[in-house]
Amino acid sequence: NAGVTQTPKFRILKIGQSMTLQCTQDMNHNYMYWYRQDPGMGLKLIYYSVGAGITDKGEVPNGYNVSRSTTEDFPLRLELAAPSQTSVYFCASSKGQGGNEQFFGPGTRLTVL
Amino acid sequence: QQQVKQSPQSLIVQKGGISIINCAYENTAFDYFPWYQQFPGKGPALLIAIRPDVSEKKEGRFTISFNKSAKQFSLHIMDSQPGDSATYFCAASMHHSSAAGNKLTFGGGTRVLVKP
Repeated sequence: NAGVTQTPKFRILKIGQSMTLQCTQDMNHNYMYWYRQDPGMGLKLIYYSVGAGITDKGEVPNGYNVSRSTTEDFPLRLELAAPSQTSVYFCASSKGQGGNEQFFGPGTRLTVL
Repeated sequence: QQQVKQSPQSLIVQKGGISIINCAYENTAFDYFPWYQQFPGKGPALLIAIRPDVSEKKEGRFTISFNKSAKQFSLHIMDSQPGDSATYFCAASMHHSSAAGNKLTFGGGTRVLVKP
């Protein structure tokens, strides 16, 4: 099992550009999450999903969108990149009911200039 | 209501010493308290977790102490090793509520450096 995979590993965007961060898990987990981690800070939840077709906002959703068309994939979309979105983005998944542990991907380091 | 406060921000300990990290939470609905370990350039990984029905949980050199009345919990790393040098995050969630999606609220993190 690859676990949670994220692409790309690094990306530099110009202000106003858009991009999609990809996240895939092969553990058949129901729940998936997107977090951002700013330097020296904890992780903040952006969006989460409890199953295909179901998404909900986390603590810091502004400027982002998500979709969950399959169990495996949970892409994160940035429509109009801003310098405040410079961060490391982590995708995670968990089994859901009966399984608390969240498994994290390796992260995507995004810089907006 | 959703905050989890973690201290200290950084910690230096000699090899063989004890590292202690503290967390405090506000929301009494939290019922699952994990600690995650993160190495540079990697995603966090679950280290150990506790539920509020027990006051202590030990796994190897890692122990969580939980004080429900004070709404505090802490991580103790015994016999600290250079390989333990990492950032540690406490977190909390409401496991009992499926609608809450097992969302984790993280503390700010503690960077631990174990000197040989």
